[in-house]
Amino acid sequence: NAGVTQTPKFQVLKTGQSMTLQCAQDMNHNSMYWYRQDPGMGLRLIYYSASEGTTDKGEVPNGYNVSRLNKREFSLRLESAAPSQTSVYFCASSYQTGNNQPQHFGDGTRLSIL
Amino acid sequence: AQSVTQPDIHITVSEGASLELRCNYSYGATPYLFWYVQSPGQGLQLLLKYFSGDTLVQGIKGFEAEFKRSQSSFNLRKPSVHWSDAAEYFCAVGSDRGSTLGRLYFGRGTQLTVWP
Repeated sequence: NAGVTQTPKFQVLKTGQSMTLQCAQDMNHNSMYWYRQDPGMGLRLIYYSASEGTTDKGEVPNGYNVSRLNKREFSLRLESAAPSQTSVYFCASSYQTGNNQPQHFGDGTRLSIL
Repeated sequence: AQSVTQPDIHITVSEGASLELRCNYSYGATPYLFWYVQSPGQGLQLLLKYFSGDTLVQGIKGFEAEFKRSQSSFNLRKPSVHWSDAAEYFCAVGSDRGSTLGRLYFGRGTQLTVWP
């Protein structure tokens, strides 16, 4: 039971480099989400995709772009990494964007920007 | 705007003791509430959820939570804590409004330490 799979698990970048974080789910979910987790801040929503072909901004979208490649995959791109983007990034999915639908999380990508 | 407050950043209890983690929310209508647990190096796992109906909700791993509308609270409880319960716990509220439909707003988390 894979659930939500994130790659890579760890990454170190230099300031200004670009990178794409990958996320795939095998639960046939329609909605997918990207969060960042910083110490003492809980999780904050970066972008989400209510369904294949749509994406919307969350609370902290600046410096990021996303692509909903197909129903299974939702990627997060940092075009020019900055030290402030050092964080743990979580991908999540739910059957649909609705409040009776819990979100299922991957194990995270730990990203350090030097 | 929706928000969640977890007043306790860190709680320490002895194994076998009872546990209550506090959560207060700010929301204009009937809230959709969740508790998640995060073990070190792992993602978040859903413990329980409240949508409507019975205000006492049972979850996995022996946890329960009680929704109290008058106090805007959704506190998590466990009668007897096990060492394996040491983790970080997050309360979240879901939005059912317009452009924020389906979003979850998380509290900052409570770190639980369990003494043997």
